Amino acid sequence: GAVVSQHPSRVICKSGTSVKIECRSLDFQATTMFWYRQFPKKSLMLMATSNEGSKATYEQGVEKDKFLINHASLTLSTLTVTSAHPEDSSFYICSARATSRDGYTFGSGTRLTVV
Amino acid sequence: QKEVEQNSGPLSVPEGAIASLNCTYSDRGSQSFFWYRQYSGKSPELIMSIYSNGDKEDGRFTAQLNKASQYVSLLIRDSQPSDSATYLCAVRDDKIIFGKGTRLHILP
Repeated sequence: GAVVSQHPSRVICKSGTSVKIECRSLDFQATTMFWYRQFPKKSLMLMATSNEGSKATYEQGVEKDKFLINHASLTLSTLTVTSAHPEDSSFYICSARATSRDGYTFGSGTRLTVV
Repeated sequence: QKEVEQNSGPLSVPEGAIASLNCTYSDRGSQSFFWYRQYSGKSPELIMSIYSNGDKEDGRFTAQLNKASQYVSLLIRDSQPSDSATYLCAVRDDKIIFGKGTRLHILP
């Protein structure tokens, strides 16, 4: 089945630094990838839709200058959290789908802790 | 605003019994429906998809869809302690919308 690889699985960074999270579709081409954030015991919150070769579409309330998304190829999308602050600490998850009828496959998630 | 509603639970079910999880959605035009399982600290895992009215069975799981009532359910037969997790209902149009999830606890 479709596999989405996400790295790193866990990262701790200092406040004010930037962190890059990678998401790769291993056995299929993903024209569109999605980035979610999930706080403890809360549901997934869609942050942005990443389209290969074009600018990402951000959900209302998500700062596009803070959460930089790049989707340079059909198999790779990156999310960079810039100037991270403790309130950015969360579980970040990417997802993609192989075809229009498929369900979305999720990456394994990245636990970001900003200290 | 498209919405997907689920009872947050927790839903406690004895081991070996049937667990029934329910979900309603607001957009009558929705066509694709999914159930995901999420263990604590892990990312969601797709367990069932359903696109047509009626039942779809896969092992111990049965998804049920009633578009007229805008209702999707998931039945888990012979519940096991390993089924204890949060179950997310999702509806897809141009993007996927998740419910807040139902916490299921299987009692040994």
